[in-house]
Amino acid sequence: GAGVSQSPSNKVTEKGKDVELRCDPISGHTALYWYRQSLGQGLEFLIYFQGNSAPDKSGLPSDRFSAERTGGSVSTLTIQRTQQEDSAVYLCASSLGWDRGGSPLHFGNGTRLTVT
Amino acid sequence: AQSVAQPEDQVNVAEGNPLTVKCTYSVSGNPYLFWYVQYPNRGLQFLLKYITGDNLVKGSYGFEAEFNKSQTSFHLKKPSALVSDSALYFCAVRDRGARDDKIIFGKGTRLHILP
Repeated sequence: GAGVSQSPSNKVTEKGKDVELRCDPISGHTALYWYRQSLGQGLEFLIYFQGNSAPDKSGLPSDRFSAERTGGSVSTLTIQRTQQEDSAVYLCASSLGWDRGGSPLHFGNGTRLTVT
Repeated sequence: AQSVAQPEDQVNVAEGNPLTVKCTYSVSGNPYLFWYVQYPNRGLQFLLKYITGDNLVKGSYGFEAEFNKSQTSFHLKKPSALVSDSALYFCAVRDRGARDDKIIFGKGTRLHILP
């Protein structure tokens, strides 16, 4: 079956513009995670969803970042008034959820965001 | 809050030699532990996990990891390294005692297998 799909794969935007990143998880996966990968910084946790609910938004770097998930499926990560420090690869992952004995995360290929 | 440390940014190993990639963690309760691998220009792939039971966990591509509760470690190992094992490796933890499902990753260790 299809894996986690992210779009766009690459996005170049001007400083100050808003961007929207999309994630289509694996069908049936109830948990969805967003991470940011910067050079030398590893994987930075941003937010996760259980169904449509986001119990923990503490990882979002600033109030310019927001995320939503609808229908227990597609999720969008929105960055308003982008800054150069937002440049990174944004990774989405999904899993069956923790009632399945700690099921692993399945990652998409990411969106590479460059803010000029 | 949970955290993960991968003390080595890079590990170099000669092909055919055993390899170890180190990981230590901190949680308030008991951990779920994971290893993931990222090959060049490819997405992150799951390697193995520790949930409960045997401390030695076997995973994909001949990798294994040993859970050591007293040392709060979960080092990744392989008896004989291959050049194709060269990649970026991430350790991750979820705190089973936490009320959330947050999964935290380490900064990653770049493994170079020398022919």
